[in-house]
Amino acid sequence: EIVLTQFPDTLSLSPGERATLSCRASQSVRFNNIAWYQQRPGQAPRLLIYDVSTRPTDIPERFSGSGSGTEFTLAISRLESEDFAVYHCHQYGLAPYTFGQGTKVEIK
Amino acid sequence: VVLEESGGELVQTGGSLRLSCVASGFTFGKFDMTWVRQAPGKGLEWVSFISASGLTVTTADSVRGRFTISRDNARNSLFLQMDSLRVEDTATYYCVRESNNGWYLDWGQGTLVAVS
Repeated sequence: EIVLTQFPDTLSLSPGERATLSCRASQSVRFNNIAWYQQRPGQAPRLLIYDVSTRPTDIPERFSGSGSGTEFTLAISRLESEDFAVYHCHQYGLAPYTFGQGTKVEIK
Repeated sequence: VVLEESGGELVQTGGSLRLSCVASGFTFGKFDMTWVRQAPGKGLEWVSFISASGLTVTTADSVRGRFTISRDNARNSLFLQMDSLRVEDTATYYCVRESNNGWYLDWGQGTLVAVS
């Protein structure tokens, strides 16, 4: 199975700063089948990005995804208070589908 | 879209539970569905998948032979029969609507299963 490793585990930033989260796969992810989910405390995950860089219509433009092969990135251009949460990457290119361990974005 | 799970509770090791998920806001019978779990303070883990028709089912190695996924399209419902429960099955279980290409469109609020 494909192992996804996210780094850093925790990112301490201030509102208005840019966040860059990384996700590394143990082998190349087919068709760039990578998604990102946001999970606020006490809530279920929510889809942010799919197919590496596609945002659902209800997701703000400050969220963007990039990458290919084994290296993927989620960027948040200017952090707002509601963005402090845990972010999970997910590969759906090869069964069994797998997730990274999560990156927590916390207020500095 | 609303996915509402139920059935989670405290159960002893070796016991059984049946989780349910009632869906609304979309045509349930046209979508593949999945159960994903999250142990306390941990990451997400895929548990089991069922195709829209119910004809294709896959299950994670960690629960194969103990957990069974099923669905009733007439009742807009998804189920997870959990037998021979272990302490390591303790987690919040999420009902998830899956896109045609594999990403997860919508998540329920989850139901907590605690095994002691």
